[in-house]
Amino acid sequence: DAGVIQSPRHEVTEMGQEVTLRCKPISGHDYLFWYRQTMMRGLELLIYFNNNVPIDDSGMPEDRFSAKMPNASFSTLKIQPSEPRDSAVYFCASSLIRTGKADTQYFGPGTRLTVL
Amino acid sequence: DQQVKQNSPSLSVQEGRISILNCDYTNSMFDYFLWYKKYPAEGPTFLISISSIKDKNEDGRFTVFLNKSAKHLSLHIVPSQPGDSAVYFCAASALAYNTDKLIFGTGTRLQVFP
Repeated sequence: DAGVIQSPRHEVTEMGQEVTLRCKPISGHDYLFWYRQTMMRGLELLIYFNNNVPIDDSGMPEDRFSAKMPNASFSTLKIQPSEPRDSAVYFCASSLIRTGKADTQYFGPGTRLTVL
Repeated sequence: DQQVKQNSPSLSVQEGRISILNCDYTNSMFDYFLWYKKYPAEGPTFLISISSIKDKNEDGRFTVFLNKSAKHLSLHIVPSQPGDSAVYFCAASALAYNTDKLIFGTGTRLQVFP
């Protein structure tokens, strides 16, 4: 099992540029989550999908952020235009259908984004 | 508004001794709590969890205690080992309200020294 795959692992860009982060969930998982980690706020949930459908995007900070899941094996998180305050580590996680437990989220290695 | 709080950003403990990591929450709807462990350059991994119907859950060297009246939980690691050095995140969920969201704290960096 390859686990959750994220790309790129590191991204450095200039303010105003578009950034696209990619995620491949574990095969067979029904849920996909996007998180952002910062020192001040810890791990924040941005958006999550169930069977490719966005369920809750209340954590998306601004309209500059968008996420898609065109199929069960791929999701993107896009920031356009990017700003220095978007610098953070972005994690993707996936899980199986709800079993009454919330401990089945498996995280990818993260993408460290730096916006200059 | 931080619903899950880890007020100690770091903790340093000698190998062999007990590590106690604390977490407080404000939302009384939370009914399931988890601890995740994170090494540098890796994603968080699940460590241990506890339901609100219990006040203790133990797994090997790791024990989580829940005090619902105080809205407080703690993770005990006994004995602490150098390999336990990592960032520990507390997380909470409101399963009874049919939500799959986890609300995480800001993390506590544990360093276990020889």
